[in-house]
Amino acid sequence: GAGVSQSPSNKVTEKGKDVELRCDPISGHTALYWYRQSLGQGLEFLIYFQGNSAPDKSGLPSDRFSAERTGGSVSTLTIQRTQQEDSAVYLCASSLFSTGTSYEQYFGPGTRLTVT
Amino acid sequence: GQQLNQSPQSMFIQEGEDVSMNCTSSSIFNTWLWYKQDPGEGPVLLIALYKAGELTSNGRLTAQFGITRKDSFLNISASIPSDVGIYFCAGRNSGNTPLVFGKGTRLSVIA
Repeated sequence: GAGVSQSPSNKVTEKGKDVELRCDPISGHTALYWYRQSLGQGLEFLIYFQGNSAPDKSGLPSDRFSAERTGGSVSTLTIQRTQQEDSAVYLCASSLFSTGTSYEQYFGPGTRLTVT
Repeated sequence: GQQLNQSPQSMFIQEGEDVSMNCTSSSIFNTWLWYKQDPGEGPVLLIALYKAGELTSNGRLTAQFGITRKDSFLNISASIPSDVGIYFCAGRNSGNTPLVFGKGTRLSVIA
């Protein structure tokens, strides 16, 4: 079946501009996560959505970052007034809300953001 | 916040050799996961571990959940060229909470 998809795959933007990154989770997955991966680093948690609960925003690095999840499916990560340090690969993952291997997080291919 | 220390950072091995990498944490995790990431792709789940002491295999891959719940290792036997990539350990405390990732082990296999 279809996996997690993300768009665009690459985004180059000028410093100070706003960007929107999109994530389409696996159909039926109730949990959705955004992570950031800087060059040569591991993944850094940004924000987590679970069903209709309030999102866990504890990983967002500044108030320039925000995310929405509409209708419990598609999510958009918005970065306002981008800075060069925002350059990274932004990864989205989704999962079913349960435990066991079948319920782990499955990742999309990521969006590579470059801020010039 | 919680951090995972993953080692080694990189490895260069000959095809056919066995590989071992590990992850340690200063705090307890209830789930340990191992992912592999190929260039331009998202991480792909290799093995999930849910019980302290658990030893799980997936083909040529074997991983163990340390009995202290503060460490895990991944072994790859008889490496092949397609094993090349970055391997990440990840830990989670409960439910479907966000994962804490190590910084990865970059594996290169020389044919």
